Amino acid sequence: GAVVSQHPSRVICKSGTSVKIECRSLDFQATTMFWYRQFPKQSLMLMATSNEGSKATYEQGVEKDKFLINHASLTLSTLTVTSAHPEDSSFYICSALGNTDTQYFGPGTRLTVL
Amino acid sequence: AQSVTQLGSHVSVSEGALVLLRCNYSSSVPPYLFWYVQYPNQGLQLLLKYTSAATLVKGINGFEAEFKKSETSFHLTKPSAHMSDAAEYFCAVIRKSGGGADGLTFGKGTHLIIQP
Repeated sequence: GAVVSQHPSRVICKSGTSVKIECRSLDFQATTMFWYRQFPKQSLMLMATSNEGSKATYEQGVEKDKFLINHASLTLSTLTVTSAHPEDSSFYICSALGNTDTQYFGPGTRLTVL
Repeated sequence: AQSVTQLGSHVSVSEGALVLLRCNYSSSVPPYLFWYVQYPNQGLQLLLKYTSAATLVKGINGFEAEFKKSETSFHLTKPSAHMSDAAEYFCAVIRKSGGGADGLTFGKGTHLIIQP
């Protein structure tokens, strides 16, 4: 139980294009999902908290107009990186909040912007 | 604000030896603490968590951790290391910033190397 998927697992795009990443909780409903970013050989940094049916809450320093988050259902949150640039290249990981304050993580999406 | 510090970016042990990964926390409220493992190019898998119940927490794959308030520590141990334990390990604490669900603050991670 408590499986979270992400799609795609890898994406390569040209600078200036937009990329959408999906995060799904497969066997449970999650009113809250989180998006993290991980640079090579570094820890995860929280980008934003996604709540079903409401606006996402962004961490300080994260541009909300660049990283668009939509949590339209209890099992799906999407992160859209708009007008991506090479510095946006990173490993993006989502998590879904289950019972008892436990976050279940997706396998991550490797974004490379050329 | 809550934070965690992992001592040692790399830890190397021999197969069959004790594994000890250190984590100290700082929190103004009773903390909820977690250990996650990450294999290369994968997401994080929960090993165990402390949520103010028993101070000795047993997790998956033979790992356990003990919450010590007096030492503000939550070290991860395993009696006998396997080659398959080689991975990156993250200690994390729930951020408490008011109402609603909170994300996690992670330590910088410890890379566990198992020597044959």
